[in-house]
Amino acid sequence: DSGVTQTPKHLITATGQRVTLRCSPRSGDLSVYWYQQSLDQGLQFLIQYYNGEERAKGNILERFSAQQFPDLHSELNLSSLELGDSALYFCASSLRLGGNEQFFGPGTRLTVL
Amino acid sequence: GDSVTQMEGPVTLSEEACLTINCTYTATGYPSLFWYVQYPGEGLQLLLKATKADDKGSNKGFEATYRKETTSFHLEKGSVQVSDSAVYFCALTANSGYSTLTFGKGTMLLVSP
Repeated sequence: DSGVTQTPKHLITATGQRVTLRCSPRSGDLSVYWYQQSLDQGLQFLIQYYNGEERAKGNILERFSAQQFPDLHSELNLSSLELGDSALYFCASSLRLGGNEQFFGPGTRLTVL
Repeated sequence: GDSVTQMEGPVTLSEEACLTINCTYTATGYPSLFWYVQYPGEGLQLLLKATKADDKGSNKGFEATYRKETTSFHLEKGSVQVSDSAVYFCALTANSGYSTLTFGKGTMLLVSP
């Protein structure tokens, strides 16, 4: 158990809908990262937050957004969903901004029908 | 940009066989290198890491040496077990203050009794 929790574990929805994925980092970790794992693209970095502020952006679509709240939990919002958004979404956390081990949550499996 | 290339799988071995999974990288500067493991239905776990050239990371019988001259970080184990069956990801972070991970596509290892 990494100490990172993600909810829900599974999510099934329809095209065009909007969903919110939630992540609670390990106690004391200030940095949160979101990754997408799909069969064709592999594991891709989406976005990073540190202590409530966005710090780095990867291959995140404009339809996706995220935020980190004062209690350090983070939410990833996916809107206008398409079939191709079906994937595993992982959250990871680390203590500081750079150069640290990242601890991964169990992931949320999103299926868009 | 940074990239990681790993050998394609699946790699199929019998118990007690030797394992090598090749990993090469392209990055500016001096990245940190990681191997993560993903067991079925679970998130990623850090297996080992190396932060500078000639460092050897090791854990649970697995080893990998950071070779700057060949830009490689091959994963090795002398005697695999059935419980080692999983997907293995090679990854790097640039030492720029932001520790976002760039992953290879993953190599599935299947060990039979």
